[in-house]
Amino acid sequence: NAGVTQTPKFQVLKTGQSMTLQCAQDMNHEYMSWYRQDPGMGLRLIHYSVGAGITDQGEVPNGYNVSRSTTEDFPLRLLSAAPSQTSVYFCASSYTARYYEQYFGPGTRLTVT
Amino acid sequence: AQTVTQSQPEMSVQEAETVTLSCTYDTSESDYYLFWYKQPPSRQMILVIRQEAYKQQNATENRFSVNFQKAAKSFSLKISDSQLGDAAMYFCAYRSVTGANSKLTFGKGITLSVRP
Repeated sequence: NAGVTQTPKFQVLKTGQSMTLQCAQDMNHEYMSWYRQDPGMGLRLIHYSVGAGITDQGEVPNGYNVSRSTTEDFPLRLLSAAPSQTSVYFCASSYTARYYEQYFGPGTRLTVT
Repeated sequence: AQTVTQSQPEMSVQEAETVTLSCTYDTSESDYYLFWYKQPPSRQMILVIRQEAYKQQNATENRFSVNFQKAAKSFSLKISDSQLGDAAMYFCAYRSVTGANSKLTFGKGITLSVRP
């Protein structure tokens, strides 16, 4: 049982490039979400999914896209990277949307130059 | 919308002493969860303790306990017998139990250092 895995751990992009951050969980969790962490800001929700085929926006969705074709995977796409997207990205999952605990992945540190 | 406030950006404690980290929140809901997460330099988010709003009894996990004051919307974390491994950033978080979003709303965090 690997829990929540994220790849890559580190990434450097140039402005305008696109990329996908991968997130997978092997706990059969319905609910998955993406957060970004910026200094002095805590973690903020980007997008979330309550099940395969269902996604919705969080509080900072601009510049990001998600899809959920399987229960296990929830990739986050940066469409055209900008320096403002330099951040640490966390994927999290929980058994259901109402379940009290979310399990976090190890994070991806992204730098956009 | 819910908000979570951690007004102290940094705190320091002597090893083996007790420290209390403060957190206040704002919500119009009556049922919710509150959490404290620890983030060591490894960056991993680790759940320290949780509190269900409907429970009057304060949660306790070994050396970690909370003081939950629902009417005052206050949720502080007490760390007893502080250890060097407790040095980390600590986040207070709120999670609604209603609605499809069920996102975690985080405070800005507090950096705790432990002096040997």
